[in-house]
Amino acid sequence: QTVVTQEPSFSVSPGGTATLTCGLSSGSVSTSYYPSWYQQTPGQAPRTLIYSTNTRSSGVPDRFSGSILGNKAALTITGAQADDESDYYCVLYLGSGIWLFGGGTKLTVL
Amino acid sequence: EVQLVESGGGLIQPGGSLRLSCAASGFTVSGSHMNWVRQAPGKGLEWVSIIFSGSSTFYADPVKGRFTISRDSSKNSLYLQMNSLRAEDTAVYYCARLSGSYSFGYWGQGTLVTVSS
Repeated sequence: QTVVTQEPSFSVSPGGTATLTCGLSSGSVSTSYYPSWYQQTPGQAPRTLIYSTNTRSSGVPDRFSGSILGNKAALTITGAQADDESDYYCVLYLGSGIWLFGGGTKLTVL
Repeated sequence: EVQLVESGGGLIQPGGSLRLSCAASGFTVSGSHMNWVRQAPGKGLEWVSIIFSGSSTFYADPVKGRFTISRDSSKNSLYLQMNSLRAEDTAVYYCARLSGSYSFGYWGQGTLVTVSS
């Protein structure tokens, strides 16, 4: 059974850099999985941050960036701010009309 | 402006059925690839199903054979028929429009389904 892996939690200092990763239990993540990233605060619908590995969604600050790092997709937040404290989810397109979300990363800024 | 508004959630007994609706505006459902994504209380997001603009449908394994996704062009709406509901189907259900490059570009606010006796 394929699982998409994310750090359950991550802590970053204000102004610091956080790199969250998105892996695949069955192998490496590549651009062919079209990784995308979403930010969610409690009680709210998710907000699209990054799609197709590294393309920022409209209105997303450029301190959010996406990439492939080694065998994982990555979301990097530079100059972290207090209101970046949220849950972050990646999702991979596995092909054949199937998507799979990671378990999410709870980002703490302190 | 793109808007998605879900409805139809509520409390249902195990084994029961429920139909969720998602009313769309600002675009045509029939010309888009539309999804359902759910989130159990305190848990992560889980992709549930997609209906492509060409009418092909796909489902996540946990709901295959029990849930059916459909759309109505005249109402510009998306639906999820959920049968044989289980406690583990308890979640907020979001409808989401697929954008370029296989991402979920637009989300509704969700509707809560609670399966409990």
